[in-house]
Amino acid sequence: GQNIDQPTEMTATEGAIVQINCTYQTSGFNGLFWYQQHAGEAPTFLSYNVLDGLEEKGRFSSFLSRSKGYSYLLLKELQMKDSASYLCAVMDSNYQLIWGAGTKLIIKP
Amino acid sequence: GAVVSQHPSWVICKSGTSVKIECRSLDFQATTMFWYRQFPKQSLMLMATSNEGSKATYEQGVEKDKFLINHASLTLSTLTVTSAHPEDSSFYICSARVGASDTEAFFGQGTRLTVV
Repeated sequence: GQNIDQPTEMTATEGAIVQINCTYQTSGFNGLFWYQQHAGEAPTFLSYNVLDGLEEKGRFSSFLSRSKGYSYLLLKELQMKDSASYLCAVMDSNYQLIWGAGTKLIIKP
Repeated sequence: GAVVSQHPSWVICKSGTSVKIECRSLDFQATTMFWYRQFPKQSLMLMATSNEGSKATYEQGVEKDKFLINHASLTLSTLTVTSAHPEDSSFYICSARVGASDTEAFFGQGTRLTVV
């Protein structure tokens, strides 16, 4: 079956760095997405990786290793507004998004 | 970026009534639209995929007669929850892609449905 695993909850301090991991097992691979979702709102796109390596975009970076079925989202210089759920999603061979359960990130002052 | 507008943002309805949720792509033509449901503290669950001009493809366990999806134009898809029950209370989100194999998906704002 298809499976996306990510931690349920993480806590970090304002100004610090946090890494959210995601491992996946899917039927085919057409890219991995990270989304941010604030409570009661729709997800917003953060990043897309289809090739191995690190993609940097401001304070957020995303890494992918296809051979290991592994990705992480790195958030630097954490701000209180970064408190949200972070969803990992993989696009399978049928171009369907398979979603992880999300990681709730709590930022403390 | 492309904009997907979903309406209404929230709705409260009585058991047994029907509710229609609209999803519009404002500045692009979406050949494929997806409808998701999300229960509190859970991930997005795909309900159905709709392609313009054809019948929607429903995921296993989703009742097609209860969740009616219409994708009559390239900019509008609707989800109608018929004979709603309290267990249908959830957060419903649509997303749209230009093409089925297009990797970029744009999300609507979501609709919070509460059935009382």
